[in-house]
Amino acid sequence: DIQMTQSPSTLSASVGDRVTITCRASQSISNWLAWYQQKSGKAPKLLIYKASTLESGVPSRFSGSGFETDFTLTISSLQPDDFATYYCQQYGSYSRYTFGQGTKLEIK
Amino acid sequence: EVRLVESGGDLVQPGESLRLSCAVSGFTFSVYEMNWVRQAPGKGLEWISYIESGGGTTYYADSVKGRFTISRDNSKESLYLQMNSLRGEDTAVYYCARGRACTGGACFYDYWGQGTLVTVSS
Repeated sequence: DIQMTQSPSTLSASVGDRVTITCRASQSISNWLAWYQQKSGKAPKLLIYKASTLESGVPSRFSGSGFETDFTLTISSLQPDDFATYYCQQYGSYSRYTFGQGTKLEIK
Repeated sequence: EVRLVESGGDLVQPGESLRLSCAVSGFTFSVYEMNWVRQAPGKGLEWISYIESGGGTTYYADSVKGRFTISRDNSKESLYLQMNSLRGEDTAVYYCARGRACTGGACFYDYWGQGTLVTVSS
């Protein structure tokens, strides 16, 4: 099974900061990677798919990059609405561990 | 507007059964693969089941295989999850999610319902 590992687990930052979250796959997944944002008590929201393609309606301050095993989600200038938990997810192949464990982005 | 609305969550005792439903609107349900994803309290996301658009192919996570059954009724634009032999570790919010770019049961999920809470406790 492919396993997804995110880092850090928690990230403290301020409005206006540039932040990066990392996701590593245990084996190559090409660019079959998605990123989601989840706010407390709400359903996840798709941000990015195919590693770097921004979903329609998602602000351009969000960007993704990476290939094979190493991926990043970057928020160029944090806004108050961005404080949430972020998950990566591989969809290159069937796996029990399709999601990363999550990164909680907190206000510093 | 795409909408997915889950229902059926409840408090049940270990060993009991429950059936979740997901009613959709705003898109052509019959052409999309669908999934169930759950989230235990304070934990991360766990994919648990997939069904292809015609209902003929299904996949399950090992944690629910043999106990849960996914199904769909395209005429009613509805997705279902029959959950049997429930355990405490099945306590979670259950989301239905529309799949996109699915290959061999692996998709990303572009629309999610609001979730329904299943609590398994004596």
